Amino acid sequence: DAGVIQSPRHEVTEMGQEVTLRCKPISGHDYLFWYRQTMMRGLELLIYFNNNVPIDDSGMPEDRFSAKMPNASFSTLKIQPSEPRDSAVYFCASVGLAINEQFFGPGTRLTVL
Amino acid sequence: DAKTTQPPSMDCAEGRAANLPCNHSTISGNEYVYWYRQIHSQGPQYIIHGLKNNETNEMASLIITEDRKSSTLILPHATLRDTAVYYCIVRVANYGQNFVFGPGTRLSVLP
Repeated sequence: DAGVIQSPRHEVTEMGQEVTLRCKPISGHDYLFWYRQTMMRGLELLIYFNNNVPIDDSGMPEDRFSAKMPNASFSTLKIQPSEPRDSAVYFCASVGLAINEQFFGPGTRLTVL
Repeated sequence: DAKTTQPPSMDCAEGRAANLPCNHSTISGNEYVYWYRQIHSQGPQYIIHGLKNNETNEMASLIITEDRKSSTLILPHATLRDTAVYYCIVRVANYGQNFVFGPGTRLSVLP
């Protein structure tokens, strides 16, 4: 298995633009997590899904952020409109039924100018 | 989840054992101790976890005190590639539950 796949790896955009981050979890994993990491706040959970259904989105900072999981092999995190304070590394992780550990993707480094 | 306390940073000489402590004095009986690490610019990586018994795998050993209020992660022969931030997390072993990452310990392995 290729592990958790995220794209793009790097994204540079201007304030006000829409940004879409993508994640493909490990096949067979039924939980998917989106995290954000900054120097100031560390690693924060934004939202997680179980069987494609959002379970806890209390970490989503505001209405500008939205996440979807249309099927078991794909999820998106969208920011519209983006702001400079959204600059961070965004990680996706997945967990399987019989496994206690989260597998993280390589992350997307977002820079909003 | 119970909170954990870790030193912000530690140094270790290459080839020596690295002992990373973690305090979790309010841990509940059904909560496990997990360790993850994050090498610069990569996603966090699972290392090991345990409930009450000491655990060992190919990466590390986990020593949990009898009262379960603290634990130590041991990297037996640290290499330069072990330089990373190490996170100690306590959580119920329900795979659907979130992992709450604290600031961790920044381990620097020195040549």
